[in-house]
This record gives sequence, C-alpha cells and structure tokens, in this order.
Amino acid sequence: KAGVTQTPRYLIKTRGQQVTLSCSPISGHRSVSWYQQTPGQGLQFLFEYFSETQRNKGNFPGRFSGRQFSNSRSEMNVSTLELGDSALYLCASNQAGNYGYTFGSGTRLTVV
Amino acid sequence: DQQVKQNSPSLSVQEGRISILNCDYTNSMFDYFLWYKKYPAEGPTFLISISSIKDKNEDGRFTVFLNKSAKHLSLHIVPSQPGDSAVYFCAALAGYFNKFYFGSGTKLNVKP
Repeated sequence: KAGVTQTPRYLIKTRGQQVTLSCSPISGHRSVSWYQQTPGQGLQFLFEYFSETQRNKGNFPGRFSGRQFSNSRSEMNVSTLELGDSALYLCASNQAGNYGYTFGSGTRLTVV
Repeated sequence: DQQVKQNSPSLSVQEGRISILNCDYTNSMFDYFLWYKKYPAEGPTFLISISSIKDKNEDGRFTVFLNKSAKHLSLHIVPSQPGDSAVYFCAALAGYFNKFYFGSGTKLNVKP
C-alpha cells in the first residue's frame, strides 16, 4: 500500500511569506500529526488531527496552523515566515488505537 | 520499505528492573540515531541520541548502545520506573536531515 505522501519535497520561501504543506496519510489512517525536525532541537511536535479535529497541539506560536479534511488529508500552514522556521517538516499517520506510526519523507523548508 | 524496525510491539517489565528496547536498521548510510518517548495523547519527545562514531551514549537512567556491524541499536533504562511506561520510537538519520526514518514503536509497560 502507498505510504504517507508529503508535498512538496523541497521549498524555498522568503521571510514574511506564508507556506502551506500537504500530507496524505495511508489509506484508512485517520490520525495525522505534524513535526518539525531541526538539527539542534530534534523532533518537535506541532499538532495532531483526528477526524478533522485538532486533538493535540505542541508549543508553537499561532503562526503555525493546520487542518484536516474529510478524506484525512492534512495541511499545515505557516504564516509570516521567519528564518528560524527553516526545517524538515514531517507528518505521520496512524490508525486509531494503533501505536504504529508511519512517517512521510518530509518537506524541507528553507526560509531566506 | 521499512528501513528502521522495532520488532517488539510491546514490552512489560517490573519496576526497578532493566528495560531493553531494540531497534534494527538496514541502511548503512545512517549516521545519527535517536530515541523518542511518547505518552498517550501527546506527541513524541526526544529522549537520547547517538552518533555513528560512538557505540554508547549515557544520560542518567538511559543508555543507548549502537552496534554498527549488526546494524542494531538498543535503549537500556535502569532502573525502570512506572512513569517510563510509554511508547518508544527509534529513528535514524542519513546525512544532514536529508532522510529521516522512524521505527513503528514499542510500547513499554513498567509494572509497580
């Protein structure tokens, strides 16, 4: 079966712009979570969506937002980009009640 | 393809004893490994990491061992505490966060 698909793979934006990243989970997976991966901070949790509702949220400013659609696909939006937002953004999906997480390959965002 | 595998979905140990969580990988290009812990309804939190130039890294009760020839790493928790009960993920990085792979997780239950 197809894995978790994240688009685009690479993105370059300038400070002050906004960006939208997309994540398509494995078919049948209803939970999608987003993470920011930086060399210094490791993996940091952004938020988790389940059945179109945000279930959990990490400690990120309001510039980071997301949503989930009825087909479980999720988008993450970052507004007013800052240089420090440069990172690899990962999403992961899993089935309800299952601890197995499948991660996408990530979107590498570079803010210049 | 699953390049990072945690073959034990669950592990149960008695409080005060040692917990050993295992992780195998297939890609010899991985040069950095991490362990994460996840409590229910929360995102994963970083626990400990190890570079491929080392074979052991210790942080308090947590020690990670890396056996490059066997492509195997393990996390030792000594002594185990009930608060350690969580899902533990190992992850591997190849290059400068260019590729990132997570295992599917092992649920640890530490019994009082």
